[in-house]
Amino acid sequence: QQQVKQSPQSLIVQKGGISIINCAYENTAFDYFPWYQQFPGKGPALLIAIRPDVSEKKEGRFTISFNKSAKQFSLHIMDSQPGDSATYFCAASSGAGSYQLTFGKGTKLSVIP
Amino acid sequence: NAGVTQTPKFQVLKTGQSMTLQCAQDMNHEYMSWYRQDPGMGLRLIHYSVGAGITDQGEVPNGYNVSRSTTEDFPLRLLSAAPSQTSVYFCASSSGVRHEQYFGPGTRLTVT
Repeated sequence: QQQVKQSPQSLIVQKGGISIINCAYENTAFDYFPWYQQFPGKGPALLIAIRPDVSEKKEGRFTISFNKSAKQFSLHIMDSQPGDSATYFCAASSGAGSYQLTFGKGTKLSVIP
Repeated sequence: NAGVTQTPKFQVLKTGQSMTLQCAQDMNHEYMSWYRQDPGMGLRLIHYSVGAGITDQGEVPNGYNVSRSTTEDFPLRLLSAAPSQTSVYFCASSSGVRHEQYFGPGTRLTVT
């Protein structure tokens, strides 16, 4: 059973456009939602994260929007740049002291000039 | 700090061979974990450890063993490699901020 569903699988955006990646979760015990960015040949790296007590978090060109009632969250990349081309993973964790992350299947973003 | 290091970077095994993937971190993190990454499957947790001497299974533990004798090291053992274990393996560590896991550069394993 896949607990975090991510879409789309791949995304092509023009430079300067907005990239949007969506995730939905089933487990209501999840209480932390990070996004990881992975460049080819590298390990994933934490990009931005949100708790369900806020509806939006912004860091530079990256914004997470969170809808608790719909059990959905999304990553928006404003003014997308070719350097943003990477694979993005949403994830979720639950429970006090829990270190386990459940990842979505990933979205390969290509930003074309 | 070197962060999380993994060796080897690449490995080719024949079916039935055994090997150990090494992982070390120099950040004094208590939590360490192993993931495998397969195309279209995301990252799946194999085993994890919340401290020296403590390990537990993740989502896909079959065919893999782990031990944690020190805070720094968390090796992953394949006792009898199978083609289904062809994958990219990532080790990660974390301090108390539970979502912030630091990943190593990965080991690409091919089993023929």
